[in-house]
Amino acid sequence: TQLLEQSPQFLSIQEGENLTVYCNSSSVFSSLQWYRQEPGEGPVLLVTVVTGGEVKKLKRLTFQFGDARKDSSLHITAAQPGDTGLYLCARTPTNTGNQFYFGTGTSLTVIP
Amino acid sequence: DTAVSQTPKYLVTQMGNDKSIKCEQNLGHDTMYWYKQDSKKFLKIMFSYNNKELIINETVPNRFSPKSPDKAHLNLHINSLELGDSAVYFCASSHGVGAEAFFGQGTRLTVV
Repeated sequence: TQLLEQSPQFLSIQEGENLTVYCNSSSVFSSLQWYRQEPGEGPVLLVTVVTGGEVKKLKRLTFQFGDARKDSSLHITAAQPGDTGLYLCARTPTNTGNQFYFGTGTSLTVIP
Repeated sequence: DTAVSQTPKYLVTQMGNDKSIKCEQNLGHDTMYWYKQDSKKFLKIMFSYNNKELIINETVPNRFSPKSPDKAHLNLHINSLELGDSAVYFCASSHGVGAEAFFGQGTRLTVV
């Protein structure tokens, strides 16, 4: 079992606030992805990070991959109601096992 | 055109029944997956399958069986349904190691 712990599990904030979501594992990732899932839909890919220490930005979202490639964070600046959803980190398939393993999830609600 | 489509979207059935969920992808991907998302929103891998190999998560009861008539389809058959099988089931596909996973909209299964 590939256990990816996300924190916090639930987050409810006001529009305009900043927030950070964390994804941690005891294992080293070859690469890691972040997905967002909206109610009634399947998860949709936001970003893939590959290199330790890598930082990627997607508009108001900033993704960082830990130097040791065991953890990652997602920071949202000036959150908006449209950011509401379930955020999932995922360990991508490797050469030895072709399965995506998802984190425990962070459910974000942005209140207008 | 929907990339990954699964049917039905909702399924309500009685305990002990046998049911199937269908999944089709038109992306030309080589690997397809089934995930179970429980009430806590944890997305757990059940199966992954490509035209070479079926990988079964060891915690999946043998009442669940994937059936792949061709590369674009991976159906999920469930025998002797139990109350604990109630969940949302997602089909997904991807192509290559480290690639993006594309998800269907999910099938909400309710066993009564």
